[in-house]
Amino acid sequence: QKEVEQDPGPLSVPEGAIVSLNCTYSNSAFQYFMWYRQYSRKGPELLMYTYSSGNKEDGRFTAQVDKSSKYISLFIRDSQPSDSATYLCAMYSRRGSRLTFGEGTQLTVNP
Amino acid sequence: GAVVSQHPSWVICKSGTSVKIECRSLDFQATTMFWYRQFPKQSLMLMATSNEGSKATYEQGVEKDKFLINHASLTLSTLTVTSAHPEDSSFYICSARDREGSPYEQYFGPGTRLTVT
Repeated sequence: QKEVEQDPGPLSVPEGAIVSLNCTYSNSAFQYFMWYRQYSRKGPELLMYTYSSGNKEDGRFTAQVDKSSKYISLFIRDSQPSDSATYLCAMYSRRGSRLTFGEGTQLTVNP
Repeated sequence: GAVVSQHPSWVICKSGTSVKIECRSLDFQATTMFWYRQFPKQSLMLMATSNEGSKATYEQGVEKDKFLINHASLTLSTLTVTSAHPEDSSFYICSARDREGSPYEQYFGPGTRLTVT
């Protein structure tokens, strides 16, 4: 079983839709939860990170972490064609001292 | 801030030759750098972790004699793919951890696409 599970999609939505991306994990030692965005043939860029459980909002993006369910989400409001990319969740524990990535979800926002 | 560059951005080489990829932190000092490999439509797979001035730590299944990593300074790490074969064709991405930053923060380079013919 993978430590981090993420539906690879692809996910296709119309412009303006609310997008929900999710990951589940099995390692309870994970403390930091990140979302990266990766455009085609580019390196990942950090969108948001959350420490432990809770919500975090940044503009049109909201990250949620539910440690009791080992479930994290990224919501994108008013999605734009420029949001079309692959979104990777990543998790970190001090014990492991490395990032563990999900498989990535490919998102297309259609104008 | 926190910019990581990679060079070259893409390279084509013949089977049996060696290729060197550079990863540089441009505006911060990186005590730790990471090398990942990514196949099409797949996630990043960690190959190795390198700390400045010491030997790299390789992930299980990664041949250290084939993928030579050198982290000679706080701003530069190199990955050399020796005796490359077509199956080594992939997207190689490095990331760097800021010496002054949090342990979970990694800044990624733009990647290097390697094609072995």
